[in-house]
Amino acid sequence: EPEVTQTPSHQVTQMGQEVILRCVPISNHLYFYWYRQILGQKVEFLVSFYNNEISEKSEIFDDQFSVERPDGSNFTLKIRSTKLEDSAMYFCASSRTSGSFDTQYFGPGTRLTVL
Amino acid sequence: AQTVTQSQPEMSVQEAETVTLSCTYDTSENNYYLFWYKQPPSRQMILVIRQEAYKQQNATENRFSVNFQKAAKSFSLKISDSQLGDTAMYFCAFMKLKAAGNKLTFGGGTRVLVKP
Repeated sequence: EPEVTQTPSHQVTQMGQEVILRCVPISNHLYFYWYRQILGQKVEFLVSFYNNEISEKSEIFDDQFSVERPDGSNFTLKIRSTKLEDSAMYFCASSRTSGSFDTQYFGPGTRLTVL
Repeated sequence: AQTVTQSQPEMSVQEAETVTLSCTYDTSENNYYLFWYKQPPSRQMILVIRQEAYKQQNATENRFSVNFQKAAKSFSLKISDSQLGDTAMYFCAFMKLKAAGNKLTFGGGTRVLVKP
């Protein structure tokens, strides 16, 4: 069964450093998402991406964040200058449509630790 | 903005018994979808079941079923014949229809512990 994959599984970085989190969505999916989950808290939406542009972003997704689909398979989340409060689990998700049968399938997550 | 509330932070159930998790939501939308996701200790988010708001019939998926009360904005999950592998965090989520890129709004989660 096709699945969403994410690398790395765990990333440790120093405050102020740039990180890139990578995702490979399911191959025939057209919509891509990033969510994050701070330890012990709810899962929060960051951004959705369709047709090579952001379709919606939350207030969390400020200028420090960017997303890109550099080729036909990868979908990346870049944090330009990490802060301590960026420490969280980051989930990538993808869906085939945004219509009646849209179901978002999640990757296993990347745990980001900012020291 | 939509909000999703799960009022039970933690529940425990004996193996083979039934447990019901509650979820309420607030929205002014008429067309939307509701989901339950499971997050085991591995922390991967796994879809358990979903419900389209325009369908009156409650969704079922093997041992998992929902009680969807649209007027009350309630969407509870029933796990029947609980198994040890059901131990996980369960998140209720709301999604409204959009032209592109439907975000999920999650509740705070309910931790379920299945005891042998």
